[in-house]
Amino acid sequence: NAGVTQTPKFQVLKTGQSMTLQCAQDMNHNSMYWYRQDPGMGLRLIYYSASEGTTDKGEVPNGYNVSRLNKREFSLRLESAAPSQTSVYFCASREGAQPQHFGDGTRLSIL
Amino acid sequence: EDQVTQSPEALRLQEGESSSLNCSYTVSGLRGLFWYRQDPGKGPEFLFTLYSAGEEKEKERLKATLTKKESFLHITAPKPEDSATYLCAVPPLFSGGSNYKLTFGKGTLLTVNP
Repeated sequence: NAGVTQTPKFQVLKTGQSMTLQCAQDMNHNSMYWYRQDPGMGLRLIYYSASEGTTDKGEVPNGYNVSRLNKREFSLRLESAAPSQTSVYFCASREGAQPQHFGDGTRLSIL
Repeated sequence: EDQVTQSPEALRLQEGESSSLNCSYTVSGLRGLFWYRQDPGKGPEFLFTLYSAGEEKEKERLKATLTKKESFLHITAPKPEDSATYLCAVPPLFSGGSNYKLTFGKGTLLTVNP
């Protein structure tokens, strides 16, 4: 089983460029999440989607937008990338009270 | 607001040297706790769910325990392949609601030397 798949795995952007990070899950989960992970800061929630058609802000939503395209896919968009958005981005999905399942991340550098 | 604190931040062990990692939390009510393992360049991988104080779960050399205010991850006779970052997380008070967001600790980086 693929589980949660994130693309791309690595990306380098220039300040001001835009980009969309893709996430897809094949577990038929209703809820999906986007996190960023920075040294010393741990995992911080950016946006989440409790079910298809709904999205909500997490702890650090500024500078990001999301789209829940369908039940499988949840994308994260940076409209105008800034160096402070250099991070590792993780997507996760969940069903009911079960633990979240994570993808292997997108490593994003913004110069 | 829920808070989760993990200690130590980093732990270096010799192969075979047993130890414990701590996850303490300040929450409005105990409703369980998750442990994850994260290898370099990978996403967190689920290890255990603990639901109530006194509960214990085991997997190979790992044993997780839970009290009302903290959880321990005991590592018995560790091997180099146990080297990873270990994360704990607590679920929200109402797990069935749409506002389901985990609160993660910052993790403990475990290094086991051969």
